[in-house]
Amino acid sequence: GENVEQHPSTLSVQEGDSAVIKCTYSDSASNYFPWYKQELGKGPQLIIDIRSNVGEKKDQRIAVTLNKTAKHFSLHITETQPEDSAVYFCAQGPGGGADGLTFGKGTHLIIQP
Amino acid sequence: SAVISQKPSRDICQRGTSLTIQCQVDSQVTMMFWYRQQPGQSLTLIATANQGSEATYESGFVIDKFPISRPNLTFSTLTVSNMSPEDSSIYLCSVEQVQGGTQYFGPGTRLTVL
Repeated sequence: GENVEQHPSTLSVQEGDSAVIKCTYSDSASNYFPWYKQELGKGPQLIIDIRSNVGEKKDQRIAVTLNKTAKHFSLHITETQPEDSAVYFCAQGPGGGADGLTFGKGTHLIIQP
Repeated sequence: SAVISQKPSRDICQRGTSLTIQCQVDSQVTMMFWYRQQPGQSLTLIATANQGSEATYESGFVIDKFPISRPNLTFSTLTVSNMSPEDSSIYLCSVEQVQGGTQYFGPGTRLTVL
């Protein structure tokens, strides 16, 4: 069945440095890969997503890269700020069917001042 | 993006009782989903709420335990039946405005079962 592995489970970086979170997936039919940020007591917020016909996508300090051959995708946050501290989840979806998303286990990102 | 609200935002319930959670969207959406997030864990899909027909449940989730309704394109309910402490979780509604499009989440309902 579908499976998404996410690493690391916890990541601590100094403010201003970059953070990278990686996910691998098993379902070769997947073609939609979103990333969500969840702050304490809130629902997940979409921060960026990518579809399988694209290798990289950027939005200001956030970027996602996708390697379909290797079945992995990564979230890159540059110039980290204290407000980036949260739990980040990767997910995979069919991108065109009626199924929901399969999530990774999450990464707790801590930005050290 | 769609604005999603859930009621209640949190509740504390006694074992053996049932709780119905409401999800309301400010615009018509094609797809609605329900997820569970156990304490400190990731999100797990419970079911797809189908408008006008029975929900589609994922493995490990059954209609008797988690009955779902979706009477129109902006509203759905999830009932957690005959609750036990193991049902203590955050229950999240999500929507896709078009099928296969971006999925947005509501704020969640935090359920504690004593």
